[in-house]
Amino acid sequence: KAGVTQTPRYLIKTRGQQVTLSCSPISGHRSVSWYQQTPGQGLQFLFEYFSETQRNKGNFPGRFSGRQFSNSRSEMNVSTLELGDSALYLCASSSQTADTQYFGPGTRLTVL
Amino acid sequence: AQSVTQPDIHITVSEGASLELRCNYSYGATPYLFWYVQSPGQGLQLLLKYFSGDTLVQGIKGFEAEFKRSQSSFNLRKPSVHWSDAAEYFCAVGLTGGGNKLTFGTGTQLKVEL
Repeated sequence: KAGVTQTPRYLIKTRGQQVTLSCSPISGHRSVSWYQQTPGQGLQFLFEYFSETQRNKGNFPGRFSGRQFSNSRSEMNVSTLELGDSALYLCASSSQTADTQYFGPGTRLTVL
Repeated sequence: AQSVTQPDIHITVSEGASLELRCNYSYGATPYLFWYVQSPGQGLQLLLKYFSGDTLVQGIKGFEAEFKRSQSSFNLRKPSVHWSDAAEYFCAVGLTGGGNKLTFGTGTQLKVEL
């Protein structure tokens, strides 16, 4: 099976812009989770979607949002970008709840 | 609130030496536990996992980990380290009934001396 794919791999944006990241889970997986990784804060959970419903949410401002489509692909959106949003954004998929999560290669977002 | 502690930020070992990376967690309920490895600029690769049953779990690349409930620990071990093991290692904890939200430790950067 193909692994988790994320597009794009690299993004450069300026403050105030918005950005959309995409994640395609492993075939058959219905859960997609998003994480932000920064040198200062480490790996932090953003949110999880399962069967198109947000099931869990981390402690991030409302500028961070996501959605999941009927084919389980997921997108996350960050509006009004700030310098501190520069990070590696990782997507993980799993087949069900409380299950092993498999991570994609990440999207490196740089905000100038 | 749940937390995961990896007390060693950096560890250096010689190739062929044994390795133990520490992980302690603080959870009020039964956790499930993972170790992931990350090479520079890459995503996370699963090394091993513990959900229930035998407390000594085997993973890929010759790694193993032991779950000790009394010590709230899930330490990662490898009897003989290879230069290719140099990477950053993350311990992660999930909560049964908590969906797929994982709480990660801060990571341990492993350097292997030839």
